[in-house]
Amino acid sequence: QVQLQESGPGLVKPSETLSLTCTVTGGSIKSSYWNWMRQSPGKGLEWLGHIHYTGSTEYNPSLKSRVTMSVDTSKNQFSLKMNSVTAADTAVYYCGSGESDLWLDHWGQGTLVTVSS
Amino acid sequence: QSALTQPASVSGSPGQSITISCTGTNSDVGSYNLVSWYQRHPGKAPKLMIYEVSKRPSGVSNRFSGSKSGNTASLTISGLQAEDEAEYYCCSYAVINTLIFGGGTKLTVL
Repeated sequence: QVQLQESGPGLVKPSETLSLTCTVTGGSIKSSYWNWMRQSPGKGLEWLGHIHYTGSTEYNPSLKSRVTMSVDTSKNQFSLKMNSVTAADTAVYYCGSGESDLWLDHWGQGTLVTVSS
Repeated sequence: QSALTQPASVSGSPGQSITISCTGTNSDVGSYNLVSWYQRHPGKAPKLMIYEVSKRPSGVSNRFSGSKSGNTASLTISGLQAEDEAEYYCCSYAVINTLIFGGGTKLTVL
């Protein structure tokens, strides 16, 4: 059974870059689509984008200019970088995977990232 | 792109059936049979319950069913059980190769 675990700093300063990693266990990253989502306080889930293990990406158009995703097949991990963060980027960030790019079969438990000075 | 619209909360008694609606537009729910539903218990990872409008992944109870009419998708849970109390999120594929989620619905089992 594929399991996902997010990791990274829980506090990021405004204008800096948010960096998160998702570690995949119980399966190979050389398959599936690897996604990032977030949920800001009091709001619904927001899809940030996905990366295929081949490196192809799709990003949410509203965040495309600030988001970069990458895959490290040697570590069975994939990552999210979001630059120029503001308080509005404070959220629980989730990683997720899907055999298809149309839904998510597996999710991590989420990690809270707070943007504050 | 606006989030899909879900009721903030629904409730039902054990054994009853409830339905959660998910309303989108012609750019997402209405144009594609690619709606999925996720269950999230507090502190736990979300779980896929329905994909492609009405298909259940292996291991998901047949008490969970999905449907769609026009721009509105629905998740029905029959024979409500205490363990069903959770938040439920719908999701749809949308134009420009994106996924869009609903605001979430908190289900309370009375």
